[in-house]
Amino acid sequence: GENVEQHPSTLSVQEGDSAVIKCTYSDSASNYFPWYKQELGKRPQLIIDIRSNVGEKKDQRIAVTLNKTAKHFSLHITETQPEDSAVYFCAASREPLDTDKLIFGTGTRLQVFP
Amino acid sequence: NAGVTQTPKFQVLKTGQSMTLQCAQDMNHNSMYWYRQDPGMGLRLIYYSASEGTTDKGEVPNGYNVSRLNKREFSLRLESAAPSQTSVYFCASSEDGYRSSYNSPLHFGNGTRLTVT
Repeated sequence: GENVEQHPSTLSVQEGDSAVIKCTYSDSASNYFPWYKQELGKRPQLIIDIRSNVGEKKDQRIAVTLNKTAKHFSLHITETQPEDSAVYFCAASREPLDTDKLIFGTGTRLQVFP
Repeated sequence: NAGVTQTPKFQVLKTGQSMTLQCAQDMNHNSMYWYRQDPGMGLRLIYYSASEGTTDKGEVPNGYNVSRLNKREFSLRLESAAPSQTSVYFCASSEDGYRSSYNSPLHFGNGTRLTVT
């Protein structure tokens, strides 16, 4: 089955710097890759997702890139702000709608220091 | 519009006790899920229900049972709690993901922190 590895487990950056979180997946048939953000004590929420027919997707200060050949995808946050501090989870599944088979990474705790 | 509502928020059980975690959604979603979140393990699927009247096992179903009471409600039951079930439990829902042609993100509840001593 699918296995998703996420690195690093913790990441500390200065406000204004960029942050990059990387995930690798094992199932070459996976083609949907969402990212969820979980603020301390709150629920995970979808922040961005990408499908395999797209190499990169941006939404304001966040972007996700996908390398299907290498089977890895990354979350990029530019101009980080203290409110970006949270745990970020990547996930992968074969179909965008195959939510029951969405496999999550182990999470990255991002701390942005003022 | 409350989204996904879970109760209780916190619970402490002794080994062997039973309890039911309640979940309800008001978004008219067909699919509902129960996840557990453990440090260093991410989110792991316990059970899911693709539609009213159906339930299926996820990655870690042992020690749990579920009931899809109606379209809105999906409960998780621990019949005989064990310390290994100490975790944060999240209920989630999504739009019909099996016949639609659009993205169907998960909408999570606020979680239940369960401690089994």
